[in-house]
Amino acid sequence: QSALTQPASVSGSPGQSISISCTGTSSDVGGYNFVSWYQQHPGKAPKLMIYDVTNRPSGVSNRFSGSKSGNTASLTISGLQAEDESNYYCSSYTSSSTWVFGGGTKLTVL
Amino acid sequence: EVQLVESGGGLVQPGGSLRLSCAASGFTFSSYEMNWVRQAPGKGLEWVSYISNSGNTLYHADSVRGRFTISRDNAKNSLYLQMNSLRAEDTAVYYCARVGEGYSYFDLWGQGTLVTVSS
Repeated sequence: QSALTQPASVSGSPGQSISISCTGTSSDVGGYNFVSWYQQHPGKAPKLMIYDVTNRPSGVSNRFSGSKSGNTASLTISGLQAEDESNYYCSSYTSSSTWVFGGGTKLTVL
Repeated sequence: EVQLVESGGGLVQPGGSLRLSCAASGFTFSSYEMNWVRQAPGKGLEWVSYISNSGNTLYHADSVRGRFTISRDNAKNSLYLQMNSLRAEDTAVYYCARVGEGYSYFDLWGQGTLVTVSS
C-alpha cells in the first residue's frame, strides 16, 4: 500500500485560509468516505481533527473543515492562527481493511 | 481520565526482539478495536497493525508481516506488539491508537514509546 500524497509544506498569514490536499486511489481515498486528518506538534502524539471526510470531533475548532472529490481529499483551515502551525497528516481506510497515511504537510504561519 | 500509555521501548540489536505494551484506562477497552502506528525519526506516520475488539481478527502492514504480532488482553485492559527479527528500519516511536466508533479513524492516541534498533 503506497502512502497518500500530500504537499511537503504550505504556508499562510494569520487570518488567511489554506488548504492541504491528499491524493490516493480508488482503493482508498476515492473508494470510501473514510478520510481522516491529524494534527501533530513536534514531539507530541497526533490529534484527530477531521474524520469521515467532513466531520469534526467535539472540541475541534470550526475553522477546520474537510472535503473530497474523486481520489483527492482536502483539509481547509480558515482564519489561520499562530497555534495552527504544525504538521498535518491525512489517512484513509483501504480496500485491504488496513489504513494508509499521507507523507505529512508542514504548515507554517507567516 | 481516558488515556493510553505505552511502554516497553528501548535499544535493541538488529535481529533482536522486543514486546511493547499499551495500558488503557478510562473507557471500556474490550469494546474498541485497536492499532499500532509508528513514526521513524523525522518521518511521517505509518500504520503497523490492527486488532479487533475480541482479538479474533488481526491485520499487519506488509513491512512487518511475519515479524510483528499484535495481541490484546481485555481482562488486563492491555494491547501488545511482539516484535521479532528487528531491523534498523524499524527504529521509530510506536503509538497505540484506538479506533473511533465510526470504525475508520483513530480518536485516541498514546504518547508513544521509542524503539531503537542499532548495534
